Amino acid sequence: NAGVTQTPKFRVLKTGQSMTLLCAQDMNHEYMYWYRQDPGMGLRLIHYSVGEGTTAKGEVPDGYNVSRLKKQNFLLGLESAAPSQTSVYFCASSYVVGQTYGYTFGSGTRLTVV
Amino acid sequence: AQSVTQLDSHVSVSEGTPVLLRCNYSSSYSPSLFWYVQHPNKGLQLLLKYTSAATLVKGINGFEAEFKKSETSFHLTKPSAHMSDAAEYFCVVSDSQAGTALIFGKGTTLSVSS
Repeated sequence: NAGVTQTPKFRVLKTGQSMTLLCAQDMNHEYMYWYRQDPGMGLRLIHYSVGEGTTAKGEVPDGYNVSRLKKQNFLLGLESAAPSQTSVYFCASSYVVGQTYGYTFGSGTRLTVV
Repeated sequence: AQSVTQLDSHVSVSEGTPVLLRCNYSSSYSPSLFWYVQHPNKGLQLLLKYTSAATLVKGINGFEAEFKKSETSFHLTKPSAHMSDAAEYFCVVSDSQAGTALIFGKGTTLSVSS
């Protein structure tokens, strides 16, 4: 019963480097999300997906790209990392059945950009 | 768009005294509301959720919240604080305009002293 798995759990990048964060879920959820968490800011939505092959921008999308080629995976890319992208990143997935919602979060990826 | 405002960034209580964490929401229709807790360097844990059923919602660890439409509030309470309740608490609303993404408040840090 893996739920939502994020890889890697920790990463240090140099300014200008690129990387991809992987989110994988095994619950057949339609919806997936990427958030970043910064002190005093709560979690802010970066991008989301309502199904395989679809993506949309959230509140803070600049500097990030995403892809959802397979239903179970949602990738977050940083093309040219900046110190302002130092954060903890959380992935989540959800189902919606009528008025019933269920959300599952990953354990987070701590990214430091130096 | 939906949003939530957590009225206190930091709340301090003594062990055994009541806890009140305040949250106001903004929504154009009946929202789904949640409270999540995050212990230091840990992931997110769902405390409780409101989805238009009973207005008084009971959650885990003795927490409960009351949905008050007239006041657009969803305050979190607990009759008696325990040291283990020290954590950050997030009031959250589901945004149907963004693939049912969860929109987080900025958080309230709860400190519990002995």
